[in-house]
Amino acid sequence: NAGVTQTPKFQVLKTGQSMTLQCAQDMNHNSMYWYRQDPGMGLRLIYYSASEGTTDKGEVPNGYNVSRLNKREFSLRLESAAPSQTSVYFCASTPLGGRRALGYTFGSGTRLTVV
Amino acid sequence: AQKITQTQPGMFVQEKEAVTLDCTYDTSDQSYGLFWYKQPSSGEMIFLIYQGSYDEQNATEGRYSLNFQKARKSANLVISASQLGDSAMYFCAMREGNAGGTSYGKLTFGQGTILTVHP
Repeated sequence: NAGVTQTPKFQVLKTGQSMTLQCAQDMNHNSMYWYRQDPGMGLRLIYYSASEGTTDKGEVPNGYNVSRLNKREFSLRLESAAPSQTSVYFCASTPLGGRRALGYTFGSGTRLTVV
Repeated sequence: AQKITQTQPGMFVQEKEAVTLDCTYDTSDQSYGLFWYKQPSSGEMIFLIYQGSYDEQNATEGRYSLNFQKARKSANLVISASQLGDSAMYFCAMREGNAGGTSYGKLTFGQGTILTVHP
């Protein structure tokens, strides 16, 4: 099925551990995004990649790094997890900068708990 | 300042009645897009409706319509004939600037409104 695939779906980390959240899309979209969702705060942009080979910071980038491995894949890395990074993480993609409503496809989310 | 404001943390509606979810936005761009997403308890983000800043007609998609008042910077979602399956969190979001332009398609979300439909 075409769409955005995120792995893992659930993860528990200890403070200080590192991990990488994976995201892949098979729709040939140019732009990809990582959001985090916290209660009462909606979704906030962590990092984005407007096109293959480029990445840039969003609203809440501290504590994260990203890699746009190729056009399909956009990973999010937590180098040293902190309890404040407990959240639900969504990856999204769109064909070209969000043209109209076309192609904003979200993954099913990764629920991360840092203890 | 908040770019997207949803002032209703929770709303209740009787089945088969209509409900309006409020959304106000703040931007200095002339070109922008407004989106509504539904997030059921399962967690996925479901696109409902889109309104472009230059669209003269209010957007409609089945039972969903967007009451777009540009001068007031509001983009309220109207759900007609509510169903039990409409119970979910609803998010308003904005893409500033031209699609493909320097906004790079980034979406800014509101805090969300939890809608509960009573039988």
